[in-house]
Amino acid sequence: KNEVEQSPQNLTAQEGEFITINCSYSVGISALHWLQQHPGGGIVSLFMLSSGKKKHGRLIATINIQEKHSSLHITASHPRDSAVYICAVIMYSGGGADGLTFGKGTHLIIQP
Amino acid sequence: DTEVTQTPKHLVMGMTNKKSLKCEQHMGHRAMYWYKQKAKKPPELMFVYSYEKLSINESVPSRFSPECPNSSLLNLHLHALQPEDSALYLCASSPQGWTYGYTFGSGTRLTVV
Repeated sequence: KNEVEQSPQNLTAQEGEFITINCSYSVGISALHWLQQHPGGGIVSLFMLSSGKKKHGRLIATINIQEKHSSLHITASHPRDSAVYICAVIMYSGGGADGLTFGKGTHLIIQP
Repeated sequence: DTEVTQTPKHLVMGMTNKKSLKCEQHMGHRAMYWYKQKAKKPPELMFVYSYEKLSINESVPSRFSPECPNSSLLNLHLHALQPEDSALYLCASSPQGWTYGYTFGSGTRLTVV
């Protein structure tokens, strides 16, 4: 079983729709990242969360540590939001440099 | 400078070649990472350097050899690769410790022929 599960795997929506992508994890974590990757491109870090909620422009990310669950929301979606969104966690190890454990990603397409 | 710069962006190499991938950051980050990403798959961690010392090696074959000559530079030396090693190789850095975020490079697209 993958330690980080994302849903849905694929999502197609119309421009302007409210988008929600979910992430569940089964291990103790120090922090959770939401990442964005465009086709053929590098990865951009959108948020890092260890508790609560963060907002940046039209993007909102929340995390519930007790329930081991996080969501990424996109309000007023636009075709330029089309990308793969990846949830990644830093497993708790007491500190130091730790690699990320990734979910399989959500492929989002926003149609005009 | 808030970027991680990877060169080259694309690389085609034969199975008998030796090549190197380069990653550079000038943000003062003390942790640097190599990830490998196959098409339509999430990235997989290969190596972690912390304060220029190799701290994590995720059982990567010896045909991949990392090097961290200084705190700003990370190399990945490639030798005798196989076609199945074709992938996007991503470099990332972080200040140190989990409380800080990651910055990713745009990757090197490697094709082994």
